[in-house]
Amino acid sequence: DAKTTQPTSMDCAEGRAANLPCNHSTISGNEYVYWYRQIHSQGPQYIIHGLKNNETNEMASLIITEDRKSSTLILPHATLRDTAVYYCIVFTGNQFYFGTGTSLTVIP
Amino acid sequence: DAGITQSPRYKITETGRQVTLMCHQTWSHSYMFWYRQDLGHGLRLIYYSAAADITDKGEVPDGYVVSRSKTENFPLTLESATRSQTSVYFCASSESAVAHSTDTQYFGPGTRLTVL
Repeated sequence: DAKTTQPTSMDCAEGRAANLPCNHSTISGNEYVYWYRQIHSQGPQYIIHGLKNNETNEMASLIITEDRKSSTLILPHATLRDTAVYYCIVFTGNQFYFGTGTSLTVIP
Repeated sequence: DAGITQSPRYKITETGRQVTLMCHQTWSHSYMFWYRQDLGHGLRLIYYSAAADITDKGEVPDGYVVSRSKTENFPLTLESATRSQTSVYFCASSESAVAHSTDTQYFGPGTRLTVL
């Protein structure tokens, strides 16, 4: 019973925007969408989160559709250091539900 | 500023042995979490704790025991290790688990456990 669905892998050219989609069609009205990334075998790193409105910080932008059933993480100018597995997570109650994520490869 | 640390970073043990993985955080965060990460499964929550002496099960608690006598420590014990518990274990902490706008989970570097 997956709470989020993401493509398994994506490539992006260095310097271009990376757009990572996520489907969370069963999300409830009070559940936040979080994005984390995991570089190699390190611990996951927080990127951004949102509820209804689009959000932007120094790392990325998060676009959430009006019906909240999907979202897109945007890395505006991808660098080689952005190569990682990106997790779209629904935070419900006291628990994060991680999926298998999207493996993003930034190509020189 | 140590943040959140885990020890040991690598551990090899044998089936049936007891193993304890340690997690320590210096932020005085109320919530702490244990996850395991296996190929093809992403991260799965084992146990979490809302405060000292308060713990609760996550998705995959069987075979694990936790305790939290102090806010800063959250050890995870495998009472009788099995091969299926070979995994990478991540500890995390957060100020709270309620989805406030400023709450995030901060993860430790992980412990790679191999059960032979």
